[in-house]
Amino acid sequence: NAGVTQTPKFQVLKTGQSMTLQCAQDMNHEYMSWYRQDPGMGLRLIHYSVGAGITDQGEVPNGYNVSRSTTEDFPLRLLSAAPSQTSVYFCASSYTPFGGKEEAFFGQGTRLTVV
Amino acid sequence: AQKVTQAQTEISVVEKEDVTLDCVYETRDTTYYLFWYKQPPSGELVFLIRRNSFDEQNEISGRYSWNFQKSTSSFNFTITASQVVDSAVYFCALSEAPGSNYQLIWGAGTKLIIKP
Repeated sequence: NAGVTQTPKFQVLKTGQSMTLQCAQDMNHEYMSWYRQDPGMGLRLIHYSVGAGITDQGEVPNGYNVSRSTTEDFPLRLLSAAPSQTSVYFCASSYTPFGGKEEAFFGQGTRLTVV
Repeated sequence: AQKVTQAQTEISVVEKEDVTLDCVYETRDTTYYLFWYKQPPSGELVFLIRRNSFDEQNEISGRYSWNFQKSTSSFNFTITASQVVDSAVYFCALSEAPGSNYQLIWGAGTKLIIKP
């Protein structure tokens, strides 16, 4: 059981570069989301998806794009990296939206540094 | 607006002591869910418990217990006879249903240090 797989685990970017954080889950979950975790703060929702082809913005969506072409994959794209995007990023999935009967499963996290 | 407050930024205790992590929440909904997650030094997030607003029964799981009190909007977490492996950051989170799209609102976390 792979669960939720995030790659890469660590990444250093220069300001202005673009990159894609990959997230894949093998549990056939409909609901997937991306969070960022900053020091001294709880996780904040960037984007989420309630199923293939459907995405929506969370609390802090600026500077990020997502797409959901398959149930399994939910990549997060940084269009033009900025130092303010230095953070730890978590992908999560669950069978039902948070607040339903299922817990959320999280990936291992991606530690991103933008210099 | 919904909010989760974990006032204790960091707690340090000696192994085998009991420790309680506080969580206070704000919500206008009558239907909501509360969660605790553990983040060990390795960084992953581990689900501990989910509680819905209609179930005020306290829960015990081994050395872990949770006290849910709607009257004080609190959902506190107690570790009995703490162990070094309990050292982690613990997050409390709130989800409202259905109007907020079930977004999880997270507290800032409490870093728990268990000294041998």
